[in-house]
Amino acid sequence: GEDVEQSLFLSVREGDSSVINCTYTDSSSTYLYWYKQEPGAGLQLLTYIFSNMDMKQDQRLTVLLNKKDKHLSLRIADTQTGDSAIYFCAESRGAGANNLFFGTGTRLTVIP
Amino acid sequence: GAVVSQHPSWVICKSGTSVKIECRSLDFQATTMFWYRQFPKQSLMLMATSNEGSKATYEQGVEKDKFLINHASLTLSTLTVTSAHPEDSSFYICSARSRGNYEQYFGPGTRLTVT
Repeated sequence: GEDVEQSLFLSVREGDSSVINCTYTDSSSTYLYWYKQEPGAGLQLLTYIFSNMDMKQDQRLTVLLNKKDKHLSLRIADTQTGDSAIYFCAESRGAGANNLFFGTGTRLTVIP
Repeated sequence: GAVVSQHPSWVICKSGTSVKIECRSLDFQATTMFWYRQFPKQSLMLMATSNEGSKATYEQGVEKDKFLINHASLTLSTLTVTSAHPEDSSFYICSARSRGNYEQYFGPGTRLTVT
């Protein structure tokens, strides 16, 4: 199908790790992205991974890419209350990777 | 660096009127700008892509005569919602990208309410 899919909700306890999963559709996607959106705000780019990579780590964030299964995940280590937000994965499509297509978003709630 | 602003952040207009939303790249030249729409608790949907000095390319199902996009300079794009109706109420987000760069930088969004 055309949709980029994510589970809608995730709750974790403060200090635990969070894993947010995403299934994308276009095997030719050049880049895959993770964005964070806080209430009433725009999107903040957290990290991205090039399609020829399997893993990327950036401080508390680890991105895993399984290109065969078209599966992307974002792991947040030592989750804090400030991490509570909606997380969107996005894939780039089209000539020149012009357009971003977003997943449905996962609302992460961190319980103190 | 790479800051994108939108104005206004929030607007209420009456049904039948038009409203203009501005998107500015503050510290880089945005050769390409994108306009997205986000309904409550839903994902972002790409509406159109505009390259500086060219006509915008609209996604399927987006009425170009209703959502007028102008990208007249390397730092400014505008979205005008013409003859607005309550169903146009939404959160509109722009993003901007410089030449040769894959990354899009997003504005904070504009919440439009049509009464």
